[in-house]
Amino acid sequence: EPEVTQTPSHQVTQMGQEVILRCVPISNHLYFYWYRQILGQKVEFLVSFYNNEISEKSEIFDDQFSVERPDGSNFTLKIRSTKLEDSAMYFCASGGWGANSPLHFGNGTRLTVT
Amino acid sequence: GQQVMQIPQYQHVQEGEDFTTYCNSSTTLSNIQWYKQRPGGHPVFLIQLVKSGEVKKQKRLTFQFGEAKKNSSLHITATQTTDVGTYFCADPNTGNQFYFGTGTSLTVIP
Repeated sequence: EPEVTQTPSHQVTQMGQEVILRCVPISNHLYFYWYRQILGQKVEFLVSFYNNEISEKSEIFDDQFSVERPDGSNFTLKIRSTKLEDSAMYFCASGGWGANSPLHFGNGTRLTVT
Repeated sequence: GQQVMQIPQYQHVQEGEDFTTYCNSSTTLSNIQWYKQRPGGHPVFLIQLVKSGEVKKQKRLTFQFGEAKKNSSLHITATQTTDVGTYFCADPNTGNQFYFGTGTSLTVIP
Protein backbone atom coordinates (compact mmCIF):
# COMPACT_ATOMS: atom_id res chain seq x y z
CA GLU A 1 0.00 0.00 0.00
CA PRO A 2 1.35 3.47 -0.86
CA GLU A 3 2.51 5.50 2.08
CA VAL A 4 3.56 8.99 3.06
CA THR A 5 7.23 9.24 3.92
CA GLN A 6 8.84 11.88 6.08
CA THR A 7 12.48 12.74 6.66
CA PRO A 8 14.28 13.07 8.93
CA SER A 9 12.65 11.04 11.67
CA HIS A 10 14.34 13.19 14.29
CA GLN A 11 15.81 16.67 13.97
CA VAL A 12 17.69 18.50 16.71
CA THR A 13 18.37 22.17 16.18
CA GLN A 14 19.40 25.19 18.14
CA MET A 15 17.01 28.01 18.84
CA GLY A 16 17.03 30.56 16.04
CA GLN A 17 18.12 28.10 13.38
CA GLU A 18 16.13 27.29 10.27
CA VAL A 19 14.83 23.76 9.71
CA ILE A 20 13.23 22.10 6.73
CA LEU A 21 11.03 19.09 7.25
CA ARG A 22 10.47 16.94 4.21
CA CYS A 23 7.58 14.83 3.09
CA VAL A 24 6.77 12.71 0.08
CA PRO A 25 2.98 12.37 -0.13
CA ILE A 26 1.19 9.54 -1.87
CA SER A 27 1.77 10.12 -5.55
CA ASN A 28 -1.78 10.54 -6.87
CA HIS A 29 -3.04 12.57 -3.92
CA LEU A 30 -4.07 16.19 -4.38
CA TYR A 31 -4.39 17.58 -0.85
CA PHE A 32 -1.47 17.99 1.50
CA TYR A 33 -1.33 18.96 5.14
CA TRP A 34 1.06 19.64 7.98
CA TYR A 35 0.09 18.98 11.57
CA ARG A 36 1.92 19.42 14.82
CA GLN A 37 1.59 17.36 17.99
CA ILE A 38 3.24 18.39 21.20
CA LEU A 39 3.93 15.32 23.31
CA GLY A 40 0.72 13.80 24.65
CA GLN A 41 -1.47 16.53 23.25
CA LYS A 42 -3.86 16.95 20.37
CA VAL A 43 -3.05 16.86 16.69
CA GLU A 44 -2.97 20.54 15.71
CA PHE A 45 -3.70 21.66 12.16
CA LEU A 46 -1.04 23.93 10.69
CA VAL A 47 -1.68 24.27 6.98
CA SER A 48 -3.36 22.69 3.98
CA PHE A 49 -2.08 22.88 0.42
CA TYR A 50 -3.90 22.26 -2.82
CA ASN A 51 -3.26 23.09 -6.44
CA ASN A 52 0.20 24.43 -5.61
CA GLU A 53 -0.94 26.95 -3.07
CA ILE A 54 -1.95 27.23 0.56
CA SER A 55 -5.66 26.54 1.01
CA GLU A 56 -5.97 27.27 4.69
CA LYS A 57 -3.68 27.94 7.61
CA SER A 58 -4.20 28.08 11.33
CA GLU A 59 -3.19 30.82 13.72
CA ILE A 60 -0.16 28.71 14.64
CA PHE A 61 1.15 29.01 11.07
CA ASP A 62 2.67 32.46 11.38
CA ASP A 63 5.35 34.19 9.32
CA GLN A 64 8.01 31.84 10.68
CA PHE A 65 6.45 28.96 8.76
CA SER A 66 6.31 28.31 5.04
CA VAL A 67 5.47 25.37 2.83
CA GLU A 68 6.57 24.42 -0.63
CA ARG A 69 5.96 21.75 -3.18
CA PRO A 70 9.13 22.30 -5.18
CA ASP A 71 8.59 19.42 -7.59
CA GLY A 72 5.96 16.80 -8.29
CA SER A 73 6.78 14.67 -5.29
CA ASN A 74 8.13 16.61 -2.31
CA PHE A 75 6.23 18.75 0.17
CA THR A 76 8.29 20.70 2.67
CA LEU A 77 7.69 22.68 5.84
CA LYS A 78 10.23 25.35 6.71
CA ILE A 79 10.55 27.00 10.08
CA ARG A 80 12.75 30.06 9.64
CA SER A 81 13.86 30.82 13.17
CA THR A 82 13.00 28.03 15.55
CA LYS A 83 11.84 28.67 19.09
CA LEU A 84 11.87 26.30 22.04
CA GLU A 85 8.10 25.98 21.81
CA ASP A 86 8.40 24.64 18.25
CA SER A 87 9.61 21.36 19.75
CA ALA A 88 7.00 18.81 18.74
CA MET A 89 6.21 15.96 16.39
CA TYR A 90 5.39 17.24 12.92
CA PHE A 91 3.17 15.08 10.76
CA CYS A 92 2.66 15.38 7.05
CA ALA A 93 -0.57 13.99 5.61
CA SER A 94 -2.05 13.66 2.18
CA GLY A 95 -5.59 13.15 0.98
CA GLY A 96 -6.87 11.92 -2.34
CA TRP A 97 -9.30 13.57 -4.67
CA GLY A 98 -11.58 15.63 -2.43
CA ALA A 99 -11.19 17.98 0.52
CA ASN A 100 -13.00 15.41 2.67
CA SER A 101 -10.83 12.48 1.64
CA PRO A 102 -9.38 10.46 4.50
CA LEU A 103 -5.88 11.48 5.43
CA HIS A 104 -2.83 9.28 5.19
CA PHE A 105 -0.17 10.31 7.65
CA GLY A 106 3.59 9.90 7.57
CA ASN A 107 5.50 8.61 10.57
CA GLY A 108 6.39 12.14 11.59
CA THR A 109 9.51 14.16 12.30
CA ARG A 110 10.33 14.77 15.93
CA LEU A 111 11.77 18.28 16.15
CA THR A 112 13.76 19.16 19.25
CA VAL A 113 14.81 22.78 19.67
CA THR A 114 17.52 23.38 22.26
CA GLY B 1 -11.27 28.08 14.68
CA GLN B 2 -13.60 25.14 14.65
CA GLN B 3 -13.85 23.40 18.02
CA VAL B 4 -14.36 19.67 18.20
CA MET B 5 -14.30 18.44 21.76
CA GLN B 6 -13.97 14.86 22.89
CA ILE B 7 -14.74 13.27 26.22
CA PRO B 8 -13.33 11.73 28.20
CA GLN B 9 -9.75 12.88 27.77
CA TYR B 10 -8.44 9.68 29.35
CA GLN B 11 -10.03 6.29 29.98
CA HIS B 12 -8.60 3.29 31.77
CA VAL B 13 -10.49 0.02 31.39
CA GLN B 14 -9.94 -3.58 32.33
CA GLU B 15 -9.46 -5.84 29.36
CA GLY B 16 -12.86 -7.12 28.32
CA GLU B 17 -14.74 -4.01 29.41
CA ASP B 18 -16.43 -1.71 26.95
CA PHE B 19 -15.22 1.77 26.03
CA THR B 20 -16.93 4.79 24.53
CA THR B 21 -15.59 8.15 23.41
CA TYR B 22 -17.79 11.06 22.44
CA CYS B 23 -17.12 13.83 19.99
CA ASN B 24 -19.06 17.10 20.07
CA SER B 25 -18.97 19.96 17.63
CA SER B 26 -20.14 23.52 18.12
CA THR B 27 -21.51 23.53 14.58
CA THR B 28 -23.25 21.10 12.25
CA LEU B 29 -20.87 18.78 10.48
CA SER B 30 -21.35 17.55 6.93
CA ASN B 31 -19.31 14.48 7.82
CA ILE B 32 -16.91 13.24 10.45
CA GLN B 33 -13.90 10.96 10.44
CA TRP B 34 -12.31 8.85 13.16
CA TYR B 35 -8.62 8.08 13.54
CA LYS B 36 -6.57 5.95 15.91
CA GLN B 37 -3.06 6.78 17.03
CA ARG B 38 -1.08 4.04 18.73
CA PRO B 39 1.51 5.15 21.30
CA GLY B 40 4.53 6.47 19.40
CA GLY B 41 2.71 6.19 16.10
CA HIS B 42 0.82 8.35 13.67
CA PRO B 43 -2.93 8.78 13.24
CA VAL B 44 -4.52 6.09 11.11
CA PHE B 45 -7.88 6.55 9.43
CA LEU B 46 -10.64 4.29 10.75
CA ILE B 47 -13.92 5.42 9.21
CA GLN B 48 -15.99 8.27 7.80
CA LEU B 49 -19.63 8.99 8.66
CA VAL B 50 -21.74 11.13 6.41
CA LYS B 51 -25.45 10.64 7.01
CA SER B 52 -27.53 11.84 9.94
CA GLY B 53 -27.99 9.00 12.43
CA GLU B 54 -25.56 6.76 10.55
CA VAL B 55 -24.17 3.73 12.36
CA LYS B 56 -21.20 1.77 11.07
CA LYS B 57 -19.45 -1.24 12.55
CA GLN B 58 -15.95 -2.58 12.22
CA LYS B 59 -15.72 -5.83 14.19
CA ARG B 60 -15.86 -4.69 17.85
CA LEU B 61 -15.98 -0.98 16.96
CA THR B 62 -19.30 0.83 16.48
CA PHE B 63 -19.39 4.37 15.14
CA GLN B 64 -22.41 6.65 15.32
CA PHE B 65 -23.22 10.04 13.84
CA GLY B 66 -25.84 12.03 15.71
CA GLU B 67 -29.18 12.92 14.22
CA ALA B 68 -28.32 16.61 14.30
CA LYS B 69 -24.85 15.88 12.89
CA LYS B 70 -23.20 17.76 15.75
CA ASN B 71 -21.89 14.77 17.65
CA SER B 72 -20.46 11.33 17.12
CA SER B 73 -19.38 8.39 19.20
CA LEU B 74 -17.05 5.42 19.00
CA HIS B 75 -17.86 2.38 21.09
CA ILE B 76 -15.52 -0.57 21.54
CA THR B 77 -16.99 -3.80 22.85
CA ALA B 78 -14.85 -6.08 24.99
CA THR B 79 -11.62 -4.14 24.77
CA GLN B 80 -8.35 -5.86 24.06
CA THR B 81 -4.80 -4.67 24.69
CA THR B 82 -4.47 -4.02 20.97
CA ASP B 83 -7.09 -1.27 21.34
CA VAL B 84 -4.66 0.89 23.33
CA GLY B 85 -4.10 4.30 21.80
CA THR B 86 -5.65 7.70 21.32
CA TYR B 87 -8.84 8.00 19.33
CA PHE B 88 -9.50 11.23 17.48
CA CYS B 89 -12.53 12.45 15.65
CA ALA B 90 -11.82 14.88 12.83
CA ASP B 91 -13.86 17.51 11.05
CA PRO B 92 -12.85 17.91 7.42
CA ASN B 93 -15.50 20.51 6.76
CA THR B 94 -14.22 23.93 7.59
CA GLY B 95 -12.68 24.91 4.30
CA ASN B 96 -9.60 22.77 4.06
CA GLN B 97 -8.64 23.09 7.69
CA PHE B 98 -9.39 19.49 8.69
CA TYR B 99 -9.43 19.94 12.45
CA PHE B 100 -8.87 17.06 14.81
CA GLY B 101 -10.70 16.68 18.10
CA THR B 102 -8.95 16.76 21.44
CA GLY B 103 -8.66 12.96 21.53
CA THR B 104 -9.42 10.24 24.06
CA SER B 105 -6.48 8.22 25.31
CA LEU B 106 -7.45 4.61 26.04
CA THR B 107 -5.45 2.40 28.38
CA VAL B 108 -6.41 -1.25 28.62
CA ILE B 109 -5.31 -3.06 31.75
CA PRO B 110 -4.67 -6.77 31.12
